[in-house]
Amino acid sequence: EAGVAQSPRYKIIEKRQSVAFWCNPISGHATLYWYQQILGQGPKLLIQFQNNGVVDDSQLPKDRFSAERLKGVDSTLKIQPAKLEDSAVYLCASSQGLVYFEQFFGPGTRLTVL
Amino acid sequence: GESVGLHLPTLSVQEGDNSIINCAYSNSASDYFIWYKQESGKGPQFIIDIRSNMDKRQGQRVTVLLNKTVKHLSLQIAATQPGDSAVYFCAERWQAGTALIFGKGTTLSVSS
Repeated sequence: EAGVAQSPRYKIIEKRQSVAFWCNPISGHATLYWYQQILGQGPKLLIQFQNNGVVDDSQLPKDRFSAERLKGVDSTLKIQPAKLEDSAVYLCASSQGLVYFEQFFGPGTRLTVL
Repeated sequence: GESVGLHLPTLSVQEGDNSIINCAYSNSASDYFIWYKQESGKGPQFIIDIRSNMDKRQGQRVTVLLNKTVKHLSLQIAATQPGDSAVYFCAERWQAGTALIFGKGTTLSVSS
């Protein structure tokens, strides 16, 4: 079974530039999550989708971050404009559903903002 | 602050020893807990999970213990191997349908 795919794996941009990350979850997984992981810390949820609807985006900085999951499969996360403090690894995860299902994580995208 | 924390940021053991990684959680209503292993440059990898109606669950070489009285979770790794070296996170879920909340992690170093 293929895992969660993410691209790009690495991205370096200057502050105030824009960047987008892509995620392809495990086939059949209805729930998709984007996490931000700052160096030395545990992942922090940014947004959670159930199919193509948003379940939780309470911790998403909506003035600069946006995410969508068209057709309930792939998802993109965008930052515009980026700030220095956005430097982190952005992890995508998926699970079969909302109840007692483990989340499978992708390899992440390491973003460096200069 | 963090809702899930680990008692020690680092743990160093010898190959073959048993390792115990501890975690304290703050929400007594959390219904589900997972331990993840994260190696450098990779995403977290599922190790074992436990529901709040259980107090112990065993896997291959790993055991998770849940003590709801003191809101404590532990991961025991038997016969630790160099390949077990990684950062270990415990994560809790406050209620069904919500995402996981992670702590800061414990770095396990296994020497031969």
